[in-house]
Amino acid sequence: AQSVTQLDSHVSVSEGTPVLLRCNYSSSYSPSLFWYVQHPNKGLQLLLKYTSAATLVKGINGFEAEFKKSETSFHLTKPSAHMSDAAEYFCVVSDRYNQGGKLIFGQGTELSVKP
Amino acid sequence: EAGVVQSPRYKIIEKKQPVAFWCNPISGHNTLYWYLQNLGQGPELLIRYENEEAVDDSQLPKDRFSAERLKGVDSTLKIQPAELGDSAVYLCASSPNMTSGGVYEQFFGPGTRLTVL
Repeated sequence: AQSVTQLDSHVSVSEGTPVLLRCNYSSSYSPSLFWYVQHPNKGLQLLLKYTSAATLVKGINGFEAEFKKSETSFHLTKPSAHMSDAAEYFCVVSDRYNQGGKLIFGQGTELSVKP
Repeated sequence: EAGVVQSPRYKIIEKKQPVAFWCNPISGHNTLYWYLQNLGQGPELLIRYENEEAVDDSQLPKDRFSAERLKGVDSTLKIQPAELGDSAVYLCASSPNMTSGGVYEQFFGPGTRLTVL
């Protein structure tokens, strides 16, 4: 069975400082991993995805994530936070070869950005 | 390119009443998903369609929930009768055709926020 654990329910940073949102996953198979962002009253938007190519994945808006199989982690980072980054972030795992690509979402991490 | 369209955006009903949500996926996307998102949690899959066929409805509470995608394009999710615990956001998503070993990005609509009083 697959699962995702987002280690922080809430992260607060100051504008211009680095962002780190932590995610650990559990998967019996070769996983695909995603980060989605959800702004208030808006749909989920894909930030980036890992599907067994390069382990360091670059996404939109300056975000990136590194797949570490030995640590079963897929942490999301950004060098410098912007006020517009304040939102809910979801780490997601999917089994590429079974379950029809079913997405399993983490509980979410709310990112606050202080001026 | 138009995104996934959902309506209504908000719905308030009294318990035991029926309610329906509508979703129009991105043109050309054959796979359609309905998700339930409770407050403070991540979305959970209710049902997945490949064209007009429901290929995964294992998480759909079939005693009160039903869904259809008659022509393989837009879809309707219905609850009858609604219960207090059904208050949540109902998300629709679509993706291009699934292939063996492939995972495509799912594109999400803005959701319908249901409040059951």
